[in-house]
Amino acid sequence: GEDVEQSLFLSVREGDSSVINCTYTDSSSTYLYWYKQEPGAGLQLLTYIFSNMDMKQDQRLTVLLNKKDKHLSLRIADTQTGDSAIYFCAGLAGYQKVTFGIGTKLQVIP
Amino acid sequence: NAGVTQTPKFQVLKTGQSMTLQCAQDMNHEYMSWYRQDPGMGLRLIHYSVGAGITDQGEVPNGYNVSRSTTEDFPLRLLSAAPSQTSVYFCASARGRQETQYFGPGTRLLVL
Repeated sequence: GEDVEQSLFLSVREGDSSVINCTYTDSSSTYLYWYKQEPGAGLQLLTYIFSNMDMKQDQRLTVLLNKKDKHLSLRIADTQTGDSAIYFCAGLAGYQKVTFGIGTKLQVIP
Repeated sequence: NAGVTQTPKFQVLKTGQSMTLQCAQDMNHEYMSWYRQDPGMGLRLIHYSVGAGITDQGEVPNGYNVSRSTTEDFPLRLLSAAPSQTSVYFCASARGRQETQYFGPGTRLLVL
């Protein structure tokens, strides 16, 4: 099955850019997702990218996909304290089988 | 639309007790799923359903049962709770097999 790996922790200063990285193993993944989880809450879909795209931008969020290296990244521009959360990378491969990474905790320092 | 709702928000059980975690969605989504979230392990799929009357096992199905008698509801049953089932449980739904999943707020379960 698919494996999705992420670093556990990232700390940035308010106003800086954050880059959260993810690697996946299944080259047949059709969609790749980024979810945000705030403390005590469920997962909220932030953005997703289809496998035939290299980049997707949505306001402060930029997703980059390198299919050759099976590498996905999420860049948050002008990071704010409200961006502090856990960010999950997930991949969809096959019959609605979504595999999640363990999550990257983003800490934004004022 | 209320989206995906889960009840209860928090539950404490004793080992051996049974209970049902409720999940409902009002978006007429065909696909529904249950995940558990444990520290350092991300989300793991327990069971899923692609439509009323159809369910299948995920990655960690042991100790859990599900049923899907209606499109709206997808309850998760713990038959005989064990401390290893202490976790946060999330229900999700999607319009179809390759559509984006929408998550409920979660149920925090503590088994003593």
